[in-house]
Order: sequence, then structure tokens, then C-alpha cells
Amino acid sequence: DAGITQSPRHKVTETGTPVTLRCHQTENHRYMYWYRQDPGHGLRLIHYSYGVKDTDKGEVSDGYSVSRSKTEDFLLTLESATSSQTSVYFCAIRSSGGAAISYEQYFGPGTRLTVT
Amino acid sequence: GQNIDQPTEMTATEGAIVQINCTYQTSGFNGLFWYQQHAGEAPTFLSYNVLDGLEEKGRFSSFLSRSKGYSYLLLKELQMKDSASYLCAVGDSNYQLIWGAGTKLIIKP
Repeated sequence: DAGITQSPRHKVTETGTPVTLRCHQTENHRYMYWYRQDPGHGLRLIHYSYGVKDTDKGEVSDGYSVSRSKTEDFLLTLESATSSQTSVYFCAIRSSGGAAISYEQYFGPGTRLTVT
Repeated sequence: GQNIDQPTEMTATEGAIVQINCTYQTSGFNGLFWYQQHAGEAPTFLSYNVLDGLEEKGRFSSFLSRSKGYSYLLLKELQMKDSASYLCAVGDSNYQLIWGAGTKLIIKP
């Protein structure tokens, strides 16, 4: 258990409204990621963070913004939700330090977002 | 471009062996990962290969050939709980993971 939680777990919202998803980790990992997962597609990276206030875009960043003001929290904001953003959103952290010989990622439980 | 291919769906019988293949073409390579994802749940890490050869972990083994851009996940003594999607991912030159679409494995009694 990598100590990752996401909130909310489910959300239904209307087109045009802003939405913020929260990812919280308890183990002080430097790297955090936001993905979306849709049928027929692999996990697609939206944004990632490599430290407090250090973020960068992934392959599907349009329409999304992120913030990381504390090590433990990584927020994903849909500025004006659209139906194409209906998806399952996963947050992940990257293993690092200690005896780790790889850099696998560990995932939160996911947020199922429906935009109507 | 970057491309990871794996079969969309496979069916196998309880107690049998199944091999799930993954081929990749990426701009860099820093290892290949396999994850398991049960329906409605998050992916969970299974294995990591960075050198050619076979890595064994209990009933699961993963193989890598870097020259061929090829990996497979071998599941032995299949159990009903192995019904899940299996995701192949490659670490690129920036240590970001590029994901395949996943293989849905159906286990029949």
C-alpha cells in the first residue's frame, strides 16, 4: 500500500463547470502523476510533478491544469469540463530512493468522472 | 513515434498456462513493466525487466528481448482470480511510462 488516496471517488458534473480532483500521498514521494484511462486506450499522461511547484505537461494536457503546493497533495483541475473529459482519472507516485532498483509507479484508487 | 502493441483479449482455462505478448517501438528504453488491473480497480505493479532474459516471480514470469522490442508475461497454473487486464508499459528516455492499451484475460473453468 503506497498510501495514495484520491477524492472524490465519483463525480457527475455539467459541461462548462470547473472540477478539481485531489490526490494525496503519505510517503513523501517526489514524483506524482495524473493519468486518464479510456476504453481502447492505454493510460495517458495528463500532467506530472517532480517537486513542490514543479510540474510539466503530458501528452493530453489540453483543458487541464495542475498544482502542487505541498509534497503530499497534487491537484488536477478541469477548467471547463467537456463531455470528452468523461473518464477514469488515476493519480500515481513513482518509487524512489532506498533499495529501489526500478522506478515503478503506484496508483491511487481512481476517480470516475462523468460530464453531462 | 512511440507504439506499444498487445492483444486486446485472450481466453484461457483454469489451471493452464497463458503467454501475453507485448511489442514496442519507443524513442528510448529504460525498462519494461507489467501491471495487472482488475475491473473497476487501479493497476498494480507485477514486474520490471531492464536486461534481456526471464524474471520469475512465483506463478508469474516476464521475459524481455531488447533487440526484438519484445516482451511477454507468462502466467502458470491459472486461477479464476487471474481474470483481469494486463498492461505493458515501457520507460522512455525521461523515465516516463508509455502504456499499451492492455490485454483482457478471461479465465474459464
